[in-house]
Amino acid sequence: DQQVKQNSPSLSVQEGRISILNCDYTNSMFDYFLWYKKYPAEGPTFLISISSIKDKNEDGRFTVFLNKSAKHLSLHIVPSQPGDSAVYFCAAKESNTGKLIFGQGTTLQVKP
Amino acid sequence: DTAVSQTPKYLVTQMGNDKSIKCEQNLGHDTMYWYKQDSKKFLKIMFSYNNKELIINETVPNRFSPKSPDKAHLNLHINSLELGDSAVYFCASSQDFAAETQYFGPGTRLLVL
Repeated sequence: DQQVKQNSPSLSVQEGRISILNCDYTNSMFDYFLWYKKYPAEGPTFLISISSIKDKNEDGRFTVFLNKSAKHLSLHIVPSQPGDSAVYFCAAKESNTGKLIFGQGTTLQVKP
Repeated sequence: DTAVSQTPKYLVTQMGNDKSIKCEQNLGHDTMYWYKQDSKKFLKIMFSYNNKELIINETVPNRFSPKSPDKAHLNLHINSLELGDSAVYFCASSQDFAAETQYFGPGTRLLVL
């Protein structure tokens, strides 16, 4: 039973436009949500996170929005750049165990 | 200056063999993890150690045994390898078990023939 779901396996956007990656979760015990970026043959690298008590966190071109009532979060990248092309994983941290539960990833392709 | 390193990067072996994957972090973190990424690309936690003590042990076959000689190292031993063990194994570390951010190694690609 997947507690963190990324329902779009892939997304393609034009350079300069906005990329929106979505993530849904089911467990109310998550206290942090994170986005990781992964290039082929490399490990996931931390991108941005948000506490469950906030609804928005911004870092440069990257903004994460959290809608707790809908159990939904999204990552906005604007403007998108070709170097952003990668697999993006949504992850949620269980407050009681510290475990990170990952979604299955969304492959983003930014076309020049 | 690799923060979390794993060796080997690639491992090809026969069914029934025993193999080990090593992980080291130079971040001074207290907590280390092993994750498995299967063919469907799901990243799932296997084990977690905090200051050399096991704190998370997911439902993993007991052929998999983690060993932490010190808090900078977490090695994964796999006995009697099976075809289904083929996957990418990632090591990660965090400041402590409550820290929200984990830092990942580059992964070890294991192929069991």
